[in-house]
Amino acid sequence: AQKVTQAQTEISVVEKEDVTLDCVYETRDTTYYLFWYKQPPSGELVFLIRRNSFDEQNEISGRYSWNFQKSTSSFNFTITASQVVDSAVYFCALRTAGANSKLTFGKGITLSVRP
Amino acid sequence: DAGVTQSPTHLIKTRGQQVTLRCSPKSGHDTVSWYQQALGQGPQFIFQYYEEEERQRGNFPDRFSGHQFPNYSSELNVNALLLGDSALYLCASSFETAGANVLTFGAGSRLTVL
Repeated sequence: AQKVTQAQTEISVVEKEDVTLDCVYETRDTTYYLFWYKQPPSGELVFLIRRNSFDEQNEISGRYSWNFQKSTSSFNFTITASQVVDSAVYFCALRTAGANSKLTFGKGITLSVRP
Repeated sequence: DAGVTQSPTHLIKTRGQQVTLRCSPKSGHDTVSWYQQALGQGPQFIFQYYEEEERQRGNFPDRFSGHQFPNYSSELNVNALLLGDSALYLCASSFETAGANVLTFGAGSRLTVL
């Protein structure tokens, strides 16, 4: 069975602050994929990034960066110089490599960025 | 290029009634999954359809059923509604079923059961 834990429930920052969203996962599979999705008030889940279990290279994309550490089963997400438009619920999710696998989500982190 | 479209966006039902939710996948996608998202929670997997067959099912009772049509669109049916069925129902589509494939989500259908 897979499990995703997002221990933080709500984070509030002032605009331009950096913020890190934590994610810890559990799986017995050796090959799997990790995802971050953003859910604005409109409700639609917006895909941000996918990482596979055999690629621990961390990535920076604009103001976003991701830190994947297999040794600690963590896949953390950092927003640099946060903006009000970053306010949303952020979900970490896990999916195994096989066909017909489901996406297992954490409970989400509500990020509020104040002007 | 339209993404995933769902209808209706909002609906209100009473206990014991039945509901049908509809989903049109993103162009080029052939696999549809349904998720239930209760207030303040992460989405929970209901089931996945590919080639008009249910390929995988989450921990949901038989009151939840679905269908996929030849044009890849899908329906989610819930019978004998309970108050606890109140949630946002999200449809997601992808190309085939491999775990690596990114799911594209719709904006959801918000169901309220009174």
